[in-house]
Amino acid sequence: AQKITQTQPGMFVQEKEAVTLDCTYDTSDPSYGLFWYKQPSSGEMIFLIYQGSYDQQNATEGRYSLNFQKARKSANLVISASQLGDSAMYFCAMRGGSGAGSYQLTFGKGTKLSVIP
Amino acid sequence: DTAVSQTPKYLVTQMGNDKSIKCEQNLGHDTMYWYKQDSKKFLKIMFSYNNKELIINETVPNRFSPKSPDKAHLNLHINSLELGDSAVYFCASSQDLVKNEQFFGPGTRLTVL
Repeated sequence: AQKITQTQPGMFVQEKEAVTLDCTYDTSDPSYGLFWYKQPSSGEMIFLIYQGSYDQQNATEGRYSLNFQKARKSANLVISASQLGDSAMYFCAMRGGSGAGSYQLTFGKGTKLSVIP
Repeated sequence: DTAVSQTPKYLVTQMGNDKSIKCEQNLGHDTMYWYKQDSKKFLKIMFSYNNKELIINETVPNRFSPKSPDKAHLNLHINSLELGDSAVYFCASSQDLVKNEQFFGPGTRLTVL
């Protein structure tokens, strides 16, 4: 079974500072994918970044980067130069396994990020 | 153009009723999903549907039934609604099973009274 753990229910960061949101995962599958989604107060789910288990380099998308440490089974999201609009819930998710269920996502419980002006 | 759309956005109904939530994607994706987000914001997969193959999450009560009239639509029917069914339901779709980036709909907030 796959499991995603986000240990920070809430985080605060000063505007323009960088922040790291933690995510650890557990899987016995050699092939898996890790995702981060943002859910603002309006409720929609916005895809941010993806990391494949065989990717050699850490994924980056604009101000978002994923600090992937495979041996430690962690996939932390780093947001640089925080903006007020970054205030939202952030979910870490994993796809993995084999067969028909391999494309389902397992989500963590989320971290609520608040950016302080 | 909206990639994944859901209707209705809000649904308020009485216990025991039967209701449906519709989902449509215009991305040409083969795979669609239904997720439930509870009051604590926890998201859990309910169903996935890939090229006419339905994958059912065994923890989902059989009062919930997905129906896919075609590849672009995956509707969710719920019979005999219960108070515990109150949640936000998200539809999503993906094309690439390797990368599996999932595009989510705006969600449907279901309130059962």
